[in-house]
Amino acid sequence: GDSVTQMEGPVTLSEEAFLTINCTYTATGYPSLFWYVQYPGEGLQLLLKATKADDKGSNKGFEATYRKETTSFHLEKGSVQVSDSAVYFCALSVTKTSYDKVIFGPGTSLSVIP
Amino acid sequence: DTEVTQTPKHLVMGMTNKKSLKCEQHMGHRAMYWYKQKAKKPPELMFVYSYEKLSINESVPSRFSPECPNSSLLNLHLHALQPEDSALYLCASSQVPGGMGRYEQYFGPGTRLTVT
Repeated sequence: GDSVTQMEGPVTLSEEAFLTINCTYTATGYPSLFWYVQYPGEGLQLLLKATKADDKGSNKGFEATYRKETTSFHLEKGSVQVSDSAVYFCALSVTKTSYDKVIFGPGTSLSVIP
Repeated sequence: DTEVTQTPKHLVMGMTNKKSLKCEQHMGHRAMYWYKQKAKKPPELMFVYSYEKLSINESVPSRFSPECPNSSLLNLHLHALQPEDSALYLCASSQVPGGMGRYEQYFGPGTRLTVT
């Protein structure tokens, strides 16, 4: 079945460090891929998305490229800030008969220390 | 307006109580979702409404009863809950049901439910 695997962490980085969170997926067909972020005490927010192979999603300095050949969608940021501390969920979306089902990875907790 | 609102923010209820959670969006989205999220876990899908009709019930116990009175509003009625039902309940919406997976979901801030 469809699934998403990502490094679970927790990940602790110093401010201005480089961030990579690995994400790989298994899916039939051609899913869309997403990164959602959840700040403490809040709901999920879309960080970025890619809907087809080789698309690059980017937002707020974060980037991820849809790699069909390696079934991956790794999240990167060149210089993290304390305000980036949150849980990051990689997800894919597949179309069922009458709705789109989102399958989430387990989440990666990131703490950025000054 | 790209906001999904949820009320109440926090809810404490006993096992014999009846309560309701409310979710609202004014983005014209025609798919709405209820998720349950336990601490340090990803959201788990409970129900999906497409064009105000229930599309999927992910084997959720009958003590949870969803309702979609119109295209902007989604309710979750709670009755005779168990302590293990304590969790963050998230509502989400997306533009078009069955949209080839292209459309992201917009999430509300959630209702933190504690069952005593």
